[in-house]
Amino acid sequence: GQQLNQSPQSMFIQEGEDVSMNCTSSSIFNTWLWYKQEPGEGPVLLIALYKAGELTSNGRLTAQFGITRKDSFLNISASIPSDVGIYFCAGHYGGSQGNLIFGKGTKLSVKP
Amino acid sequence: DAGVIQSPRHEVTEMGQEVTLRCKPISGHNSLFWYRQTMMRGLELLIYFNNNVPIDDSGMPEDRFSAKMPNASFSTLKIQPSEPRDSAVYFCASSPNRGGNSPLHFGNGTRLTVT
Repeated sequence: GQQLNQSPQSMFIQEGEDVSMNCTSSSIFNTWLWYKQEPGEGPVLLIALYKAGELTSNGRLTAQFGITRKDSFLNISASIPSDVGIYFCAGHYGGSQGNLIFGKGTKLSVKP
Repeated sequence: DAGVIQSPRHEVTEMGQEVTLRCKPISGHNSLFWYRQTMMRGLELLIYFNNNVPIDDSGMPEDRFSAKMPNASFSTLKIQPSEPRDSAVYFCASSPNRGGNSPLHFGNGTRLTVT
């Protein structure tokens, strides 16, 4: 079945640094979503991407839908302590709503 | 706006007991999803409903798991009997329409521990 490989698994960075994470797959996806989960809470949608090549920003966050439709990346610029959390990519491969797969997450730690 | 509301937030129970998790989706959302999150397997879809009708329950691990949605504002996930391997965080999510790419809005989850 479809699988998403999300990397890195974890990151330890200094406040002010930029962050980059990505998801790749051998399968094609129609939609890429990026979520952030903080301790004790559910994932919260950050950015949704619907077209190959699409580049979308949300404040300091920028995400792109890869041209091959098999990958996506999320960048965070000038990180701050409240960026701490687990970031998940999710890809929808078409058809029913159940055809949404989540990556295993990237755990981000930011040192002030 | 109230988001997706789940209860209880934490549940500790003994093996063999029945567990019922509850969810109130966002008002006006037509689709409701139940997910399970573990360290090993990440987020897994268990079942989802459209307009209160179960559409796909292929992710439900065993017959011990059942889910209902008696009306547009309430759903339950029941485990009977519970086992230690059911320990996980269970999330409910809702979506405003039936489009396959419609983003999900998650509740804060129920952390289940079965001893």
